[in-house]
Amino acid sequence: DMKVTQMPRYLIKRMGENVLLECGQDMSHETMYWYRQDPGLGLQLIYISYDVDSNSEGDIPKGYRVSRKKREHFSLILDSAKTNQTSVYFCASSFRDRGGAEQFFGPGTRLTVL
Amino acid sequence: KTQVEQSPQSLVVRQGENCVLQCNYSVTPDNHLRWFKQDTGKGLVSLTVLVHENDKTSNGRYSATLDKDAKHSTLHITATLLDDTATYICVVGDRGSALGRLHFGAGTQLIVIP
Repeated sequence: DMKVTQMPRYLIKRMGENVLLECGQDMSHETMYWYRQDPGLGLQLIYISYDVDSNSEGDIPKGYRVSRKKREHFSLILDSAKTNQTSVYFCASSFRDRGGAEQFFGPGTRLTVL
Repeated sequence: KTQVEQSPQSLVVRQGENCVLQCNYSVTPDNHLRWFKQDTGKGLVSLTVLVHENDKTSNGRYSATLDKDAKHSTLHITATLLDDTATYICVVGDRGSALGRLHFGAGTQLIVIP
C-alpha cells in the first residue's frame, strides 16, 4: 500500500517550545520534501532531502531544521516555535529521477503555536 | 512574486453542472503541469499531468489542456458531483527530476451544491 504518513495530525504548542513533525513513506523513494501551506498561498518548500543525510534548504528554511537518518523517515524540527509558524505542514516523497513530476503527499499536520 | 495564478479563487456550482478552472503561470522553464485535488483537511491527490505543448488529458470527468506558448492550462470538470467539492491546485514543475522545483498555485475552491 503506497502511502506517505504524517504524525501527529494535529498539534498545539506554546511559543518557545520545540516541535517535532514526523513523516514516513513505504515506497523506497529517495527524495522527500517538507512544505507548509498557508491560506491564500501556494505550498512553500521548506526543505528537501535527496537521501539519508543529504538535505538542502528550500525556499523558506529559516526557523526549521530537518533530519533524515533512514530513507523512509524524514523529520521536521522547529526549535523554539514562533506564532508565525502556525500552518499546515505537508510531507511528500518521490523517486530521484522522477522528482517534481511524481510527488506523493501525506495528509498534513496542522500546527498551532500559541 | 507568485509564478502560478489560478482563477477563479472560488466557485460555486450546482450538482450536474460543468465548470472550468484556469491556471496561468510564468515559470521558466516549464517542464510539466499537474492538477491536484485537495479535500478539506487532506493531502494533495494528483488528477492529471500535462507535459507537451498543446497536451490534452482526460481522467473520467476531469479533462485538462495545456498551452505552453501562452503558459496557460484549464481543468474541466464535467457533470459535477457533491464529492467534487474541494480545492484544486495547479502545480508547475521547472524540471523533470528531483533537482527541479514545483511551483504551486494558491488553488481554486470549488463548492458543489445540491
